[in-house]
Amino acid sequence: DSGVTQTPKHLITATGQRVTLRCSPRSGDLSVYWYQQSLDQGLQFLIQYYNGEERAKGNILERFSAQQFPDLHSELNLSSLELGDSALYFCASSVDRDGSYEQYFGPGTRLTVT
Amino acid sequence: AQTVTQSQPEMSVQEAETVTLSCTYDTSESDYYLFWYKQPPSRQMILVIRQEAYKQQNATENRFSVNFQKAAKSFSLKISDSQLGDAAMYFCAYRRGNNDMRFGAGTRLTVKP
Repeated sequence: DSGVTQTPKHLITATGQRVTLRCSPRSGDLSVYWYQQSLDQGLQFLIQYYNGEERAKGNILERFSAQQFPDLHSELNLSSLELGDSALYFCASSVDRDGSYEQYFGPGTRLTVT
Repeated sequence: AQTVTQSQPEMSVQEAETVTLSCTYDTSESDYYLFWYKQPPSRQMILVIRQEAYKQQNATENRFSVNFQKAAKSFSLKISDSQLGDAAMYFCAYRRGNNDMRFGAGTRLTVKP
């Protein structure tokens, strides 16, 4: 158990819909990252937050948005969903200071768009 | 841009034998971190081992060790005494400080009984 929690574990929805994925980082971690992993693919970095502020953006579509709240949990919002958005979405957290830069991953949310 | 290359899409090893997974990366930085992550069939991403670039000594975690060649920008993972539970996808990753982490495409390891 990495200490990072994600909900829900599975999500099935239709094209055009909007969903919200939730992530709680490990206690003490200030950074949250979101990744997308399509079937048999590597991890695509979407976005990073540090202590409530956006730190970096990767290959995140305009239909996707995220935020980190004062209690440090984060939400990833996916809208106008397309079939190609079906993937495993990971959240990871990291201390990001004092030489501790490894990321710990949650179990992921499996999104299926039908 | 920093890129991470894993040239072996698939590898196999006999149980109890040793296997080495390759990883190379491209960077102009001198201070960074390297990681190996394991992704078993459950799809959970598990940190296996980390290496700080400023450390010359290769990291070791039980049966897992790395061969870090900074000048060659190479970071291979050696798994000794392979076990059936080692079967997984292995990802090499690069990170410079608190910037985003860059992952390789992964190597699928099969362990034969």
